[in-house]
Amino acid sequence: GAVVSQHPSRVICKSGTSVKIECRSLDFQATTMFWYRQFPKQSLMLMATSNEGSKATYEQGVEKDKFLINHASLTLSTLTVTSAHPEDSSFYICSAREDGEQFFGPGTRLTVL
Amino acid sequence: GENVEQHPSTLSVQEGDSAVIKCTYSDSASNYFPWYKQELGKRPQLIIDIRSNVGEKKDQRIAVTLNKTAKHFSLHITETQPEDSAVYFCAANQAGTALIFGKGTTLSVSS
Repeated sequence: GAVVSQHPSRVICKSGTSVKIECRSLDFQATTMFWYRQFPKQSLMLMATSNEGSKATYEQGVEKDKFLINHASLTLSTLTVTSAHPEDSSFYICSAREDGEQFFGPGTRLTVL
Repeated sequence: GENVEQHPSTLSVQEGDSAVIKCTYSDSASNYFPWYKQELGKRPQLIIDIRSNVGEKKDQRIAVTLNKTAKHFSLHITETQPEDSAVYFCAANQAGTALIFGKGTTLSVSS
């Protein structure tokens, strides 16, 4: 199947700083990528749909000015958590579609101190 | 938008027994229904999926059934083994949209 990578896999930062997470489709082009957030013992919650060359579409309740998404190429989408706070600590997972199936990245564990 | 309900939230079975997890969805336009297994701290792994033009699909010990009229789909695991212990998620979507996940089922298989 198609391969999606994420970087970094783990990040610890101080409250108030910004963190950028990269999501790459390694062997296919993805015009659309999705960003999910997963709190401990909970499900994957869709945050936003990232569209190459245009603005992302955010789900209700997700602050677009706090979670900046950029999808500048067909293989790369980035999620920047701005002014991170402890409540933003979570597991962030991206995914991309190919041939009707959604492939997931390995996730990024964000811990905000 | 789509809403997916999943039951039960926890399921404990003895090794060798069968396990069944059920999901319902709300959007009649959804046509793709995958099931994922997730181990702690890792990405979800697709274990089986079904599309709306099929009523049942089987892969060795795992099967999925779909009732489009009732908007129900279920995961069946037979002859469970301790390594089947994990969190299982159902999901649904239609072409071009993001997968929407159920809340998950923690399956524990004891030997």
